[in-house]
Amino acid sequence: GAGVSQTPSNKVTEKGKYVELRCDPISGHTALYWYRQSLGQGPEFLIYFQGTGAADDSGLPNDRFFAVRPEGSVSTLKIQRTERGDSAVYLCASSLFWGSDTQYFGPGTRLTVL
Amino acid sequence: EDQVTQSPEALRLQEGESSSLNCSYTVSGLRGLFWYRQDPGKGPEFLFTLYSAGEEKEKERLKATLTKKESFLHITAPKPEDSATYLCASRGGADGLTFGKGTHLIIQP
Repeated sequence: GAGVSQTPSNKVTEKGKYVELRCDPISGHTALYWYRQSLGQGPEFLIYFQGTGAADDSGLPNDRFFAVRPEGSVSTLKIQRTERGDSAVYLCASSLFWGSDTQYFGPGTRLTVL
Repeated sequence: EDQVTQSPEALRLQEGESSSLNCSYTVSGLRGLFWYRQDPGKGPEFLFTLYSAGEEKEKERLKATLTKKESFLHITAPKPEDSATYLCASRGGADGLTFGKGTHLIIQP
């Protein structure tokens, strides 16, 4: 596809469950970012990948959050033991390379933890 | 720590009524000031990048400007389809962008 895609678009889970959110970046983009957006707020940076490695995970709120990008393309954000406070829209963005200015965002995954 | 503050939080204009949105930033070593548009239920859509004070960029009815402490998004003769939330973000020493909370713009026909 032409843009960043994210699946699922919506995810409802129960407190304590494990969830995985997937991001498929624009073809050829080497840099990939995850953000979290709560209602009425701007996106908040979580983690950045350059290729397969997590170059900056300083935004991950705690060790329940983990992300991988094993082949340097698709990325999965994993949340263990979900809490109600994890409810938000999780956005993925990609850019051509590190330092490339324009980050293109996907439509997001709306996560609701009951 | 980088900080971005946007004002007003919400703005309601009549069609054709020009105005400006403000973005104040505190960044150590600015590597870019970004404007995005976000429609309900969608991801942010890139509009502009500005790098240095005095720089201006235009796209249709929108013009973005940058000073050493602020950026403005000027909207000229807006139309109802310009209604959206406009997000400002900075890039400093960190790899991710630091976003403001956005300005929710409503253009009434």
